[in-house]
Amino acid sequence: SAVISQKPSRDICQRGTSLTIQCQVDSQVTMMFWYRQQPGQSLTLIATANQGSEATYESGFVIDKFPISRPNLTFSTLTVSNLSPEDSSIYLCSVERRDRGYNEQYFGPGTRLTVT
Amino acid sequence: GENVEQHPSTLSVQEGDSAVIKCTYSDSASNYFPWYKQELGKRPQLIIDIRSNVGEKKDQRIAVTLNKTAKHFSLHITETQPEDSAVYFCAASKDSSYKLIFGSGTRLLVRP
Repeated sequence: SAVISQKPSRDICQRGTSLTIQCQVDSQVTMMFWYRQQPGQSLTLIATANQGSEATYESGFVIDKFPISRPNLTFSTLTVSNLSPEDSSIYLCSVERRDRGYNEQYFGPGTRLTVT
Repeated sequence: GENVEQHPSTLSVQEGDSAVIKCTYSDSASNYFPWYKQELGKRPQLIIDIRSNVGEKKDQRIAVTLNKTAKHFSLHITETQPEDSAVYFCAASKDSSYKLIFGSGTRLLVRP
């Protein structure tokens, strides 16, 4: 099945700093998605990352706060800037893969961010 | 935009009983409906999905049904086991290559 890794797996950051999260996939994928899961909540899409173009952000998420890079078809980064305690969440990347003969979306293991 | 509602928020069943979780969606253009299981501290795991060209799909003890006219779909788990205890999320999308809109989740507890 798809191998999707994220770094770091968790971090504790101070208010006002930034954290960059990496997502690495073991094969080339067209679309990569970044989601946020606040404690005890569902998943909310932050943005869609296409290689070679600007990320597409969902309502309520802006590039200045969540800059995304997508330098190639196997890698993406999400930066959470100017951290506040409200940013404490799990951040997950997902990709579309064809592991079982048809296209499906799989998630990385997530990055647990705690802001103090 | 798409909106997905999921019920119930919590569900407690006796081991061996069946569990049913229901979702409704708003966007008639949605064609892809995956279900994810998330255990505590782990990533959401895709357990089954269905596309709009079929009305039902089964995989062992798990089945999903879709009613496109009514815009709702359901997850059915038969012969539940304690290891089925987790949070289950439904989602809807135009396609598996497109963004997923998630329901609010159902916490399933299977009592031994």
